[in-house]
Amino acid sequence: EAQVTQNPRYLITVTGKKLTVTCSQNMNHEYMSWYRQDPGLGLRQIYYSMNVEVTDKGDVPEGYKVSRKEKRNFPLILESPSPNQTSLYFCASSEQGSNEKLFFGSGTQLSVL
Amino acid sequence: GESVGLHLPTLSVQEGDNSIINCAYSNSASDYFIWYKQESGKGPQFIIDIRSNMDKRQGQRVTVLLNKTVKHLSLQIAATQPGDSAVYFCAGTESSASKIIFGSGTRLSIRP
Repeated sequence: EAQVTQNPRYLITVTGKKLTVTCSQNMNHEYMSWYRQDPGLGLRQIYYSMNVEVTDKGDVPEGYKVSRKEKRNFPLILESPSPNQTSLYFCASSEQGSNEKLFFGSGTQLSVL
Repeated sequence: GESVGLHLPTLSVQEGDNSIINCAYSNSASDYFIWYKQESGKGPQFIIDIRSNMDKRQGQRVTVLLNKTVKHLSLQIAATQPGDSAVYFCAGTESSASKIIFGSGTRLSIRP
């Protein structure tokens, strides 16, 4: 089944403790991206990747890192999480870019205490 | 800056009626638009898209209308069913750009 898989679904952590949210897609998509979803603000892009080893900042990249060493994986790294990073996170992929339909993962609810 | 928004945060319709969800955008260079449906506890799911060289596109029970003059698009759902309960997002992008801008969503609820 074609899908985008994120892990974990839920995560509670404390300020400053490094964490990684994994994302994997099995559709051989070139484009992958991360979003955070906050009430009243819609989906905001954190980082995106047009292809392997190519990553760029989205609208809200501060406090986040990503890597794209393989086509299928696009992990989101929070080196030193802070409470304002408490949010619902989505990974998404598309065949080639943002002007195509995106396939989303099921989301990761992160709480930073 | 650029924005894509939805006119109403919530919409309640009678089961079996048609639903119309509206969206406005600010960037006249936007040339590709998508509607997504997000059910509770799930990620957004693609419903239908439209490019700026069209003003109407139909899918199964859904129609998207694009009015470039007033920078407005709408999603029409025919014969609304309980399974249509969700939050609906519009999103817009430029072909030459690498990011997509999402609206904040309209929550559609169905009255029995």
